[in-house]
Amino acid sequence: KAGVTQTPRYLIKTRGQQVTLSCSPISGHRSVSWYQQTPGQGLQFLFEYFSETQRNKGNFPGRFSGRQFSNSRSEMNVSTLELGDSALYLCASSLGKENEQFFGPGTRLTVL
Amino acid sequence: GQQVMQIPQYQHVQEGEDFTTYCNSSTTLSNIQWYKQRPGGHPVFLIQLVKSGEVKKQKRLTFQFGEAKKNSSLHITATQTTDVGTYFCVPFYGGSQGNLIFGKGTKLSVKP
Repeated sequence: KAGVTQTPRYLIKTRGQQVTLSCSPISGHRSVSWYQQTPGQGLQFLFEYFSETQRNKGNFPGRFSGRQFSNSRSEMNVSTLELGDSALYLCASSLGKENEQFFGPGTRLTVL
Repeated sequence: GQQVMQIPQYQHVQEGEDFTTYCNSSTTLSNIQWYKQRPGGHPVFLIQLVKSGEVKKQKRLTFQFGEAKKNSSLHITATQTTDVGTYFCVPFYGGSQGNLIFGKGTKLSVKP
């Protein structure tokens, strides 16, 4: 089985721009979660989607949004980028929220 | 509210020494997962503990779940340089709702 894939792997944007990141889960996995990882804050939960519905949401501003498609692929969008949004964005898929999560390699976003 | 504390945040050991990280919750957990993230990598699932008092072993790694299901530990015997990384405990409180909490984990460095 192919693992979780994320595109792009690296991204450089400037303040004020918006960005869309993509995640393709493992085949058969309906739950997709997104995380932001920074050296100072560790791994923070953004949101979880299950069968195209956002089931849980972390404590992030409304500039961070996401969606899931019928094939379980997911995208997250960050609008009006700020310098502090520079981070590694990780996506994980699983059969369900309490099942083992399989992480993708992440997208490294740099905001200048 | 639901809170989990993982300690220590950092641990430096000499190769061959033992290492333990602890995860303590203020409320009873339904289960707990442990993940390891190598430097430059993404988190990888290690194990899930479900039963009260459960002890599971994976070679030099021993995982325990407390009798009250409020705390858990990961113990590594005779650390090796390959054990370097950040170890996260992820608590679950039951139900489909609720955020996935990774936090900052315990960062282990091993001096050869």
